[in-house]
Amino acid sequence: DAKTTQPPSMDCAEGRAANLPCNHSTISGNEYVYWYRQIHSQGPQYIIHGLKNNETNEMASLIITEDRKSSTLILPHATLRDTAVYYCIVRFKAAGNKLTFGGGTRVLVKP
Amino acid sequence: EAQVTQNPRYLITVTGKKLTVTCSQNMNHEYMSWYRQDPGLGLRQIYYSMNVEVTDKGDVPEGYKVSRKEKRNFPLILESPSPNQTSLYFCASTRDRGDEQYFGPGTRLTVT
Repeated sequence: DAKTTQPPSMDCAEGRAANLPCNHSTISGNEYVYWYRQIHSQGPQYIIHGLKNNETNEMASLIITEDRKSSTLILPHATLRDTAVYYCIVRFKAAGNKLTFGGGTRVLVKP
Repeated sequence: EAQVTQNPRYLITVTGKKLTVTCSQNMNHEYMSWYRQDPGLGLRQIYYSMNVEVTDKGDVPEGYKVSRKEKRNFPLILESPSPNQTSLYFCASTRDRGDEQYFGPGTRLTVT
């Protein structure tokens, strides 16, 4: 699985959009980008995933650059409950069900 | 409500006393996994199961056993717990490889 690089932490104002970057310059053609988050010691929660097209669901949007070497997770209107560690994972869909979490980005949403 | 449940949520035990952490999912998922999470080491897979009676080792299986007699349940067994198994444990399930994984709330285990 390709390695990812995320900033260790970032702050965001409540009600504003939070843009979380992820670099995955060694991603291969069939690897997907997944985002999960973990609110303090709770079970990780799936957010969104994509291959090359931008994706949106009720939680967030995922923007993948054309060369697929980086992506951005957008939380459109951050709330205090969005304070969590966010993990960007790149993996093949058929690689089994093992998830490997890197360091992630610790997001603090401030009032 | 679709969910993965784990019990107990907290457990303090002594070295060598066998214990079982239960995991159950109500989504009819094929795949289930156990992970442990330790500071600085991230989430590591212990065992996984692709279907009933089909299990395989993950990255850190030593000291653990699992079974999958029914699709919904995937218990984690520590036959002789040791202090280095003190950790936060998560069970997860998914419909198919590469699909979103649903995690349980976690079990915080302390072995003294």
